[in-house]
Amino acid sequence: QKEVEQDPGPLSVPEGAIVSLNCTYSNSAFQYFMWYRQYSRKGPELLMYTYSSGNKEDGRFTAQVDKSSKYISLFIRDSQPSDSATYLCAMMGTNAGKSTFGDGTTLTVKP
Amino acid sequence: ETGVTQSPTHLIKTRGQQVTLRCSSQSGHNTVSWYQQALGQGPQFIFQYYREEENGRGNFPPRFSGLQFPNYSSELNVNALELDDSALYLCASSLAGDLNSPLHFGNGTRLTVT
Repeated sequence: QKEVEQDPGPLSVPEGAIVSLNCTYSNSAFQYFMWYRQYSRKGPELLMYTYSSGNKEDGRFTAQVDKSSKYISLFIRDSQPSDSATYLCAMMGTNAGKSTFGDGTTLTVKP
Repeated sequence: ETGVTQSPTHLIKTRGQQVTLRCSSQSGHNTVSWYQQALGQGPQFIFQYYREEENGRGNFPPRFSGLQFPNYSSELNVNALELDDSALYLCASSLAGDLNSPLHFGNGTRLTVT
């Protein structure tokens, strides 16, 4: 069983929809939680970075962490066609270089 | 601020050959990590270099090796290439000890082994 499981998708939504992306994990040593966005033929780009349980908001993006349930989510409000990409959740202890990633969810936002 | 750059962008090799991939860290970062991303999967940690020494390795065989240079640039070497080594190889840099500094990735080298 993988340490990080991500809802596989793919996900297709109309423009303006609210999108929910989810991951679960099994390793209690994970302390920091990230969401990356990866466009085709590009490297992952950091979207959100959180430490504690709770919510963190940045524009249209909200990251939610529930350490007791070992569950994290990313919400995208007012989704845009430019949000179409693969979204990767990632987790780490205290060394960013050794992050563990989910397998990604591919999102398509249709105009 | 200069981002992470990788070369080459694409590479085609034959099974059994050797390959060297290169990476320049983001300015101000002193730690380099390498990841392998197979098609349809998330990045898998290969190893990390800090102060020119390997500082942790994932579940990859010894034929995967690396170097870090004094200017923090890095190389990934893979010997005796296998078909399953076909993947996107990502380099990422960070600042050791700075927990506000998660990984910053380059755009990767796509390796195809035939």
